[in-house]
Amino acid sequence: DGGITQSPKYLFRKEGQNVTLSCEQNLNHDAMYWYRQDPGQGLRLIYYSQIVNDFQKGDIAEGYSVSREKKESFPLTVTSAQKNPTAFYLCASRPDRFIWDEQFFGPGTRLTVL
Amino acid sequence: ILNVEQSPQSLHVQEGDSTNFTCSFPSSNFYALHWYRWETAKSPEALFVMTLNGDEKKKGRISATLNTKEGYSYLYIKGSQPEDSATYLCASNSGGYQKVTFGTGTKLQVIP
Repeated sequence: DGGITQSPKYLFRKEGQNVTLSCEQNLNHDAMYWYRQDPGQGLRLIYYSQIVNDFQKGDIAEGYSVSREKKESFPLTVTSAQKNPTAFYLCASRPDRFIWDEQFFGPGTRLTVL
Repeated sequence: ILNVEQSPQSLHVQEGDSTNFTCSFPSSNFYALHWYRWETAKSPEALFVMTLNGDEKKKGRISATLNTKEGYSYLYIKGSQPEDSATYLCASNSGGYQKVTFGTGTKLQVIP
C-alpha cells in the first residue's frame, strides 16, 4: 500500500528535551511538508522540502529543524527552543509535477510536552 | 503570512439540507485553490483543486466555484448527509508555487 506514515501517534516529552517526529512516504513524491495544528487554528506550515538535501522555512520555523537525506523521509525535530511545542503535527507529500498537484497527508502525531 | 479565511467557523445542518461555505484568499500571485475534507480520526483528503477564474468542479453532491479576481471560492453541499460531517479546509498557493497556506476550516456537522 502506498502512503505516508507518521510515528508515533502520541508522544510525550518533558520540557527542555528535543524530540524527533518521523515521516516516511513511499509515493515517490518529491515535495514534503510539515504542518502544525493548534485548537481553533488552521494548518500552519513549519518547513517544506522540494528535493533531497534541500528545505525551506515555512511560516513558523522557529524552534524546529528538519533534514531531507532521503526522498522518502522528512523527520522533524522539535527543539527545546520551541516555546509552545504541544500540538498536533501533520506531515504531507506532493508529487510536485504540476501547480494543481494535491497534498497527501499522514495520520499525524500528537505531541504533549509535560 | 498570507491570509486565507474561511467562514463560517462551524455549521450544524439537518440531514437533507443544502449548505455552502466560503474561502477568501489573496488574489495576487494566485496559482491554485484546493479544498480538502478532514474527517475525525482520519487524514485530510483532497476534494478539488481549481486554477482558473470561473472554474467549477463537482463530485457527487459537492461542488465548488472559484473567483480569482475577487479572491474567493465557494463549496456547496447539496442534500447534506451525516457522512458529510467533517472539517472542510481550503488552501491557496497564492504565496508561491510550493508554499500552500491553509484556512482555519469550516467544521460541518450534519444532524440525522
